[in-house]
Amino acid sequence: QKEVEQDPGPLSVPEGAIVSLNCTYSNSAFQYFMWYRQYSRKGPELLMYTYSSGNKEDGRFTAQVDKSSKYISLFIRDSQPSDSATYLCAAGTGNQFYFGTGTSLTVIP
Amino acid sequence: EAGVTQFPSHSVIEKGQTVTLRCDPISGHDNLYWYRRVMGKEIKFLLHFVKESKQDESGMPNNRFLAERTGGTYSTLKVQPAELEDSGVYFCASSQLGVGGTEAFFGQGTRLTVV
Repeated sequence: QKEVEQDPGPLSVPEGAIVSLNCTYSNSAFQYFMWYRQYSRKGPELLMYTYSSGNKEDGRFTAQVDKSSKYISLFIRDSQPSDSATYLCAAGTGNQFYFGTGTSLTVIP
Repeated sequence: EAGVTQFPSHSVIEKGQTVTLRCDPISGHDNLYWYRRVMGKEIKFLLHFVKESKQDESGMPNNRFLAERTGGTYSTLKVQPAELEDSGVYFCASSQLGVGGTEAFFGQGTRLTVV
């Protein structure tokens, strides 16, 4: 069983839609949760990180962690074509992180 | 502020040859990580340096891989001899000490192709 599972998509939405990206993880000891955005031929760019459970909001992005169900989510409001990228979730104990395979998102103008 | 820089951006070598990848972390970042993504798979942890010391190298695939970080600044990852299954994108990331690696900034990666 993988430490972090993520639906690879691809996901295609119209501009302005709300996007929901999700991952599950298996290790209840994980305390740190991150979302990265990766454009083609670039390195992952940290979008959001949360510690333990709860929500965190930054502009159009909201990250949620539900430790009881081992579920992590990223919501993108008012999606823009520039949001088209691969989104990677990651979880870990602090110094070692496990990544999902990434979800490919396309926002259509 | 310069980000994490990796050299080369792309390397094509023959099976059995040696390749050395380099990572320059963000200045002042004591944590340095190497990750690898094999095609179609998730990004996987290789090892973690704190300054010049290897904190965790549990992800290194085998003894053909050697990572160093002399002086606690830049790091190199050498693969000797390279095998076909070593092909993939090698990422380096760095973070400040004490942050627990949560705000890790990644380089653009080195795409290694072994033929």
